[in-house]
Amino acid sequence: GQQLNQSPQSMFIQEGEDVSMNCTSSSIFNTWLWYKQEPGEGPVLLIALYKAGELTSNGRLTAQFGITRKDSFLNISASIPSDVGIYFCAGTPAGNMLTFGGGTRLMVKP
Amino acid sequence: DVKVTQSSRYLVKRTGEKVFLECVQDMDHENMFWYRQDPGLGLRLIYFSYDVKMKEKGDIPEGYSVSREKKERFSLILESASTNQTSMYLCASRPDRGRGAFFGQGTRLTVV
Repeated sequence: GQQLNQSPQSMFIQEGEDVSMNCTSSSIFNTWLWYKQEPGEGPVLLIALYKAGELTSNGRLTAQFGITRKDSFLNISASIPSDVGIYFCAGTPAGNMLTFGGGTRLMVKP
Repeated sequence: DVKVTQSSRYLVKRTGEKVFLECVQDMDHENMFWYRQDPGLGLRLIYFSYDVKMKEKGDIPEGYSVSREKKERFSLILESASTNQTSMYLCASRPDRGRGAFFGQGTRLTVV
């Protein structure tokens, strides 16, 4: 199935820095989802977006559904060591199928 | 909170064994999915089900089958386990009409 283009693949940042990652698609999506996965665990849903232009926050996390409906970004402000993990975007082009990005591995240096 | 529970966190099976991975969700979701996750390959869809007794092949169904006899339970079956099926297996469920998908904690299967 189609994979979303997620970038960057990995980031190594200093504690306290802000982080931004994004996903793009060649087709229009109806829903964008952002997940975090820690080692040995299943992905946990962080933010869900349902309308073009929607901007939603969850604590230090903010995500937006792009106006073109072909992209989404996730920002993390003032990163802390427990933000470490792999962040995945996912979307639904139509129906109930999910398409996933390749993930962004985030590493935070204390 | 939505709860998706996979029956085992870790499994070790021998080549040729028949393996059952069970997934149960408690939110009356219509749709359930099985993925496998491998380094560098991301999440790949094996099978999904949009209703009881209904199933559809995903991207990599070979060597697997599924069963959905009840709405809350979706089972993944490895008919004859092989070493290339060593992987992290993730179950997810999702209601119709969007509202996100929720994952279980994963089952790390090792086939020796």
